[in-house]
Amino acid sequence: GEDVEQSLFLSVREGDSSVINCTYTDSSSTYLYWYKQEPGAGLQLLTYIFSNMDMKQDQRLTVLLNKKDKHLSLRIADTQTGDSAIYFCAEYGSSNTGKLIFGQGTTLQVKP
Amino acid sequence: EPEVTQTPSHQVTQMGQEVILRCVPISNHLYFYWYRQILGQKVEFLVSFYNNEISEKSEIFDDQFSVERPDGSNFTLKIRSTKLEDSAMYFCASSDEGNTEAFFGQGTRLTVV
Repeated sequence: GEDVEQSLFLSVREGDSSVINCTYTDSSSTYLYWYKQEPGAGLQLLTYIFSNMDMKQDQRLTVLLNKKDKHLSLRIADTQTGDSAIYFCAEYGSSNTGKLIFGQGTTLQVKP
Repeated sequence: EPEVTQTPSHQVTQMGQEVILRCVPISNHLYFYWYRQILGQKVEFLVSFYNNEISEKSEIFDDQFSVERPDGSNFTLKIRSTKLEDSAMYFCASSDEGNTEAFFGQGTRLTVV
């Protein structure tokens, strides 16, 4: 079945890089996503990558995709206290109805 | 910037009562979704809706749940007879014709007492 797993917690110092990891099971996933959830807020789409790409960079964000290992990562350069949030990895479901399968979220704590 | 809006932000209801959660998707979007997140658990897919019909639903989306797009702008989720275990944050989302970028609302926290 379709499943997405993430580590639950990451703590970094302000200014350091953060790397949040995710593994997924469905090798036919066409798109993989990163969403951000700040306290009391909804899910904000940060970035996504098409499965035929290895890397995508968008300002401070770098997404790496290892399709062979079904591993996705999000690197945040120069992490700021405002980056403290829960980060969700998600894959596009194989049914092609737009359904997303989410991981359990990684809480990123940024210490000043 | 266009956004998905949900009302109310918090709803408290008694077990057995019907609730309707409301969403206004982004205006030119064609695909609509409901997800839920029980406290401390994953965000779970409930249902997708396209061309005025359900395109996919999960096992969670049983006969107690229904969705409707009553007037071309709103998208609602109805729970007929709420149970304690329906307490969760419910998120509405929408995507455009490409169906690859889903934008989420801020959620409705449903508390069943």
